[in-house]
Amino acid sequence: ETGVTQSPTHLIKTRGQQVTLRCSSQSGHNTVSWYQQALGQGPQFIFQYYREEENGRGNFPPRFSGLQFPNYSSELNVNALELDDSALYLCASGGASYEQFFGPGTRLTVL
Amino acid sequence: GNSVTQMEGPVTLSEEAFLTINCTYTATGYPSLFWYVQYPGEGLQLLLKATKADDKGSNKGFEATYRKETTSFHLEKGSVQVSDSAVYFCALSDYSDKLIFGTGTRLQVFP
Repeated sequence: ETGVTQSPTHLIKTRGQQVTLRCSSQSGHNTVSWYQQALGQGPQFIFQYYREEENGRGNFPPRFSGLQFPNYSSELNVNALELDDSALYLCASGGASYEQFFGPGTRLTVL
Repeated sequence: GNSVTQMEGPVTLSEEAFLTINCTYTATGYPSLFWYVQYPGEGLQLLLKATKADDKGSNKGFEATYRKETTSFHLEKGSVQVSDSAVYFCALSDYSDKLIFGTGTRLQVFP
């Protein structure tokens, strides 16, 4: 059974740019969730996808968007980057239970 | 809305000391409760969970009991090791699978 993987590991962008982060879910899991973890804080829920449809969204603006593909891989897209978007972005996949399995994260720095 | 409150860190202990990290929650209904651990530079790992009142989750010597009457889920370990040094997050999940995290408690264990 493979774990959750994310790419890239680190990324540096400038204000106003767009970024795409990628996640490969754990085998057999049909939900994927994305979280933003600012430095020194707990992760904050961005949104969740279930069978390629958005299935819940946290308090994030529309410039945060996502996709889930038939092979349960997923993307997080952020447009018009702001300095406050600098954070660790975590992807988590889940199966039939409420347990979520997290990837190692992508560290995004916005300059 | 639902929320999680953790004791602020850092918690600094000597090896083999007893550990308690307090966690209380506010939620409607009957959430599932979790402790996650984050080692430096890594994503989140599930440490233990409890899905109903009076359940005790345990793993690697860590324990936590779901106390509905006090809305608490305190993390304990009888004898900590240097390798336990990490940030610990308490979290709850409602029926949507969305995880709500506390702000995290950093544990530092010295030899």
